[in-house]
Amino acid sequence: QVQLAQSGGEVKKPGASVKVSCKTSGYTFSDYFMHWVRQAPGQGLEWMGWINPNSGGTNYAQKFQGRVTMTGDSSISTVYMELNRLRSDDTAVYYCAREGDGSAWYRFWGQGTLVTVSS
Amino acid sequence: DIQMTQSPSTLSASVGDRVTITCRASQTISSWLAWYQQKPGKAPKLLIYKASSLESGVPSRFSGSGSGTEFTLTISSLQPDDFATYYCQQYNSFSRYTFGQGTRLEI
Repeated sequence: QVQLAQSGGEVKKPGASVKVSCKTSGYTFSDYFMHWVRQAPGQGLEWMGWINPNSGGTNYAQKFQGRVTMTGDSSISTVYMELNRLRSDDTAVYYCAREGDGSAWYRFWGQGTLVTVSS
Repeated sequence: DIQMTQSPSTLSASVGDRVTITCRASQTISSWLAWYQQKPGKAPKLLIYKASSLESGVPSRFSGSGSGTEFTLTISSLQPDDFATYYCQQYNSFSRYTFGQGTRLEI
């Protein structure tokens, strides 16, 4: 069965970087785009971008361009999301979410990773 | 970017009620809309995709309809497990995807 296992929570200081991993299993890694979605405490869902694990191609939401990098490692079926120049309003739960069959609806989600940005 | 507006933001209902949540897109998105249910501390769960296709394993009391710019999620007879927050999501644009702000369904 498809599983997305994310790395553990992180506490970072403003200005630092964080890199969250999402290890996949149960399907062919290169066959499906992976998206990242975040949710600030008590707030709604916010789409951040996607990576095509087959080509390494990415597409980021305009809000995060220049600060986010999504990468993949096919040898270990893992995707990563790195966010730089962290601010307090980046405090959120970050989810990886796998695309459905050729469309960006999400049947499979990681368990979420809480990133806390605090001085 | 396409904006998604859900209404209401909060909905109070009782077990057995029929409820409807609306999602409006700022421009046409054909049928490229999904609905999710989220409970506290959990990842969202897919309910409906392509506006009206019921995800496998989701109870048939959930249904979705609409196309273009106006969409609805209907729960025909509320069960205790249905009290949660619901989000719509458009995936019409290849490069930009957006969620509605959420509807909290409470007793």
